[in-house]
Amino acid sequence: ETGVTQTPRHLVMGMTNKKSLKCEQHLGHNAMYWYKQSAKKPLELMFVYNFKEQTENNSVPSRFSPECPNSSHLFLHLHTLQPEDSALYLCASSQAFGEANYGYTFGSGTRLTVV
Amino acid sequence: AQTVTQSQPEMSVQEAETVTLSCTYDTSESDYYLFWYKQPPSRQMILVIRQEAYKQQNATENRFSVNFQKAAKSFSLKISDSQLGDAAMYFCAYRSRPSGTYKYIFGTGTRLKVLA
Repeated sequence: ETGVTQTPRHLVMGMTNKKSLKCEQHLGHNAMYWYKQSAKKPLELMFVYNFKEQTENNSVPSRFSPECPNSSHLFLHLHTLQPEDSALYLCASSQAFGEANYGYTFGSGTRLTVV
Repeated sequence: AQTVTQSQPEMSVQEAETVTLSCTYDTSESDYYLFWYKQPPSRQMILVIRQEAYKQQNATENRFSVNFQKAAKSFSLKISDSQLGDAAMYFCAYRSRPSGTYKYIFGTGTRLKVLA
């Protein structure tokens, strides 16, 4: 058990579909993140939530819509995606403030394929 | 803006041997954290080691150690006595130290192959 659980593990969706990715952590962390991992590129930060409030949207297209109902859960709602959105989507959590920052705890990601 | 560069897309090492993965970064800040993460085929990114920039002593975690050269903005990872389970993608990451600034900047990764 990693501490951060992502579902589903794999997702294939058409460009007209609507789907959601889910992330859950019970580590007592209060910051959660969505990253996009594409081959041969650095991880791209998409969204940051701190104490359930979105504090960063890194110029992400509106076809990606995050939701953070509480500090333990994070969703990424997807609609009308493009084939170039195919990637591994990683969720992470951490302590938001203070010296107790030992890095992120990551989930195992959702491998998204847009057809 | 900070950047992190990993110039080695792929490295190979014989089992039980030592390998060094390179990472350089660019920043105007004086205080920050540096990290190495490992991503095995299971895809979960695992923290391997971290270094605080204000500490001169290089961090060590069992077979993993770093060579932190602050002036040169270099942060290499040394893996001693390499094991088959070390095969993975390794990512170098930078984070500003001040609380509330929790964005991590990642490199493009180095794929490490361990040969039996």
